[in-house]
Amino acid sequence: GAGVSQTPSNKVTEKGKYVELRCDPISGHTALYWYRQSLGQGPEFLIYFQGTGAADDSGLPNDRFFAVRPEGSVSTLKIQRTERGDSAVYLCASSFSGGSGNEQFFGPGTRLTVL
Amino acid sequence: GQQLNQSPQSMFIQEGEDVSMNCTSSSIFNTWLWYKQDPGEGPVLLIALYKAGELTSNGRLTAQFGITRKDSFLNISASIPSDVGIYFCAGQSGGTSYGKLTFGQGTILTVHP
Repeated sequence: GAGVSQTPSNKVTEKGKYVELRCDPISGHTALYWYRQSLGQGPEFLIYFQGTGAADDSGLPNDRFFAVRPEGSVSTLKIQRTERGDSAVYLCASSFSGGSGNEQFFGPGTRLTVL
Repeated sequence: GQQLNQSPQSMFIQEGEDVSMNCTSSSIFNTWLWYKQDPGEGPVLLIALYKAGELTSNGRLTAQFGITRKDSFLNISASIPSDVGIYFCAGQSGGTSYGKLTFGQGTILTVHP
């Protein structure tokens, strides 16, 4: 079956612009996660959705970052007034349900470059 | 916040050799996981550990959940060229943060044929 898909695969933008990154989870998965991976580092947690609601958004670095999942499936990560330090690979993962014991399946990521 | 220290940062080995890498934490985790990431791809789960002291194998891979719940190791036996990649440990806590994974910095593995 289809895995987690993310679009676009690459995004180049200018400092100060607004960007949206999309994640399509595996069908039937109720939990969805966003992570950010900087070069040479492990993924860093941003936000976790259970259904339509954000169960844990403690990893969002500041109020320029926002994510939604209005119908409990597709999610969009939105970054306002982008900064060069936002450049990273943004990974999305989904699992059948939340919590431990539920394997998180990762997408290939969106590579964001802020010039 | 929670920190995972993973070592070594990189390894260069000959095909057929065994590999060992480990992860330590300043905090307790309820679940330890090991992932492999290939270039341009997301991490893929290799082994999941759910109980302190647990030793689990998956083919040539063996991982253990430390008794203190603050560490884990991964062994790869008889390495082959396709083992090349970046290996990450990850911990998962309980309570309100039970959804998120905390990752180590990764171990870059290079296998020479």
